Amino acid sequence: NAGVMQNPRHLVRRRGQEARLRCSPMKGHSHVYWYRQLPEEGLKFMVYLQKENIIDESGMPKERFSAEFPKEGPSILRIQQVVRGDSAAYFCASSQEPYPQHFGDGTRLSIL
Amino acid sequence: RKEVEQDPGPFNVPEGATVAFNCTYSNSASQSFFWYRQDCRKEPKLLMSVYSSGNEDGRFTAQLNRASQYISLLIRDSKLSDSATYLCVVNQGRGKLQFGAGTQVVVTP
Repeated sequence: NAGVMQNPRHLVRRRGQEARLRCSPMKGHSHVYWYRQLPEEGLKFMVYLQKENIIDESGMPKERFSAEFPKEGPSILRIQQVVRGDSAAYFCASSQEPYPQHFGDGTRLSIL
Repeated sequence: RKEVEQDPGPFNVPEGATVAFNCTYSNSASQSFFWYRQDCRKEPKLLMSVYSSGNEDGRFTAQLNRASQYISLLIRDSKLSDSATYLCVVNQGRGKLQFGAGTQVVVTP
């Protein structure tokens, strides 16, 4: 019974490139959440999605960041024109009801 | 003021001892609360939900004090494997969880 699957585990990008992070929720879970953890800080909520809908994106930066959870396939967090400050661990969580949320292993994004 | 505040620690605890720490939250309308643990900045893992009446799960006991807006976690008979960062998590509603920065616990032999 697979948990929340995120890939890639590590992603290196140069400034100005695009980063695409993928998250497959646990089987039967229709709620997906993205969080970001900067070095030495706690997790910060970014966005909450259900299939084909963005429920709450109040934690998403206004520019360059977007997220989707299509009817088929994984949820995607997309960061355009990455900058050094985007370097962080990005965690995806999923749930059947809104709580409790179960987390994936995360994607460590490094910007050169 | 941070929305969820925790003592970062570290709390150095001899094996077999008891350790307890609190977390305060600022939003009095917060609905529900959780403790997660995170090892070496890996994925957070749900430890337990925190109920108004307080609840216990083996060696772990969680308490909620709504009047003073804090929750606590107590670990009895500490094991080396309890060494981790414990994250206080507050439900802000609509699926949005607010995480504290974590309390580090180090259990020593």
